[in-house]
Amino acid sequence: GIQVEQSPPDLILQEGANSTLRCNFSDSVNNLQWFHQNPWGQLINLFYIPSGTKQNGRLSATTVATERYSLLYISSSQTTDSGVYFCAGGLPGTYKYIFGTGTRLKVLA
Amino acid sequence: GAVVSQHPSWVICKSGTSVKIECRSLDFQATTMFWYRQFPKQSLMLMATSNEGSKATYEQGVEKDKFLINHASLTLSTLTVTSAHPEDSSFYICSARRSKSRPDTQYFGPGTRLTVL
Repeated sequence: GIQVEQSPPDLILQEGANSTLRCNFSDSVNNLQWFHQNPWGQLINLFYIPSGTKQNGRLSATTVATERYSLLYISSSQTTDSGVYFCAGGLPGTYKYIFGTGTRLKVLA
Repeated sequence: GAVVSQHPSWVICKSGTSVKIECRSLDFQATTMFWYRQFPKQSLMLMATSNEGSKATYEQGVEKDKFLINHASLTLSTLTVTSAHPEDSSFYICSARRSKSRPDTQYFGPGTRLTVL
């Protein structure tokens, strides 16, 4: 099956720092999305980004579908950015999503 | 925006009992819902796809007699963990696919934390 690897697995930042999270897919997926899982477990949809680049405030994401990877940029990080970031892709021909391994981010004040 | 609720938020039960978890789409119809399981510090693993009015389809390795899924209406799917054991303790998350949405979008519930003693 399709494998989704995220890097780095863990990341500690000082408040105000920038970071780049990466998501690699072993095969093509549809409807790539990025999520933030807060400490209570709620998944928050950050971006729907099957290709191209999008920005939303301090966050931006880029997907290069032909090379099967996506990047999430966090600028001027804040303590509220802490949590786990997942990418997820839709399996072609289905409505199923496969989630990446996750990046656990901790932002220190 | 689309909202998906789950009930209960958390549940503690004794080994051998059954636990039912509800997943509701509050402001849209969802012909398809999904159930995921997440162990501590791990990713979400898809357990099954719940289709309104038909039998659920389970992912490989998921016991369908252990995890009973019922999708009785366009806004409600239930997951029943039968004869729960400590190894069933986990965080269970549902998602609902908004019918005819473009792009295809799934909305996630807040999750249910199950602890089996």
